[in-house]
Amino acid sequence: DTGVSQNPRHKITKRGQNVTFRCDPISEHNRLYWYRQTLGQGPEFLTYFQNEAQLEKSRLLSDRFSAERPKGSFSTLEIQRTEQGDSAMYLCASGLGGRGIYEQYFGPGTRLTVT
Amino acid sequence: AQTVTQSQPEMSVQEAETVTLSCTYDTSESNYYLFWYKQPPSRQMILVIRQEAYKQQNATENRFSVNFQKAAKSFSLKISDSQLGDTAMYFCAQNAGNMLTFGGGTRLMVKP
Repeated sequence: DTGVSQNPRHKITKRGQNVTFRCDPISEHNRLYWYRQTLGQGPEFLTYFQNEAQLEKSRLLSDRFSAERPKGSFSTLEIQRTEQGDSAMYLCASGLGGRGIYEQYFGPGTRLTVT
Repeated sequence: AQTVTQSQPEMSVQEAETVTLSCTYDTSESNYYLFWYKQPPSRQMILVIRQEAYKQQNATENRFSVNFQKAAKSFSLKISDSQLGDTAMYFCAQNAGNMLTFGGGTRLMVKP
């Protein structure tokens, strides 16, 4: 399978704990995106990388959230001191950055439940 | 700022019939792309169709086609010959260079 993969698929944690999610993009894609989706809503942009550089962050990405993409390959999203409001599906997408190329391909997501 | 609005939270259609999902958007960008994504229950988001804003011709992918009205900032999706497997959430999205901006989604139920 050469699509976007995410691990874990489900994560249950207690309030105050730290969690980390991983995303492996499609291998030839240089752009990687993180979105958050709450139940019944459309995804909301969190941040994106071009290669290893984090180029944009949403106001939704509080200082408890940090994302990395070392070496421009896989990415991790860490949430520190989780709150119940962090419960959501975290989606990763990848794409080819370049003139006229705007498509993004999504992974299956990581569903986070904070108890 | 970009916004995307889907005014139909839920729709249903009989198998083999045609259904149209509505989407309006707003942007100040001159060059942008529009997409429809499908998200089946408990499954990942799949790209259905895309439209480049600079193209006047409406995009078509098999049973899926769009009606792109640039002046009205409208981008509707028509599904012909609906199949049970079309049951899903459908999201309209816009991309002017970096992130996708999504609408709130339309839940489509195809009935046998």
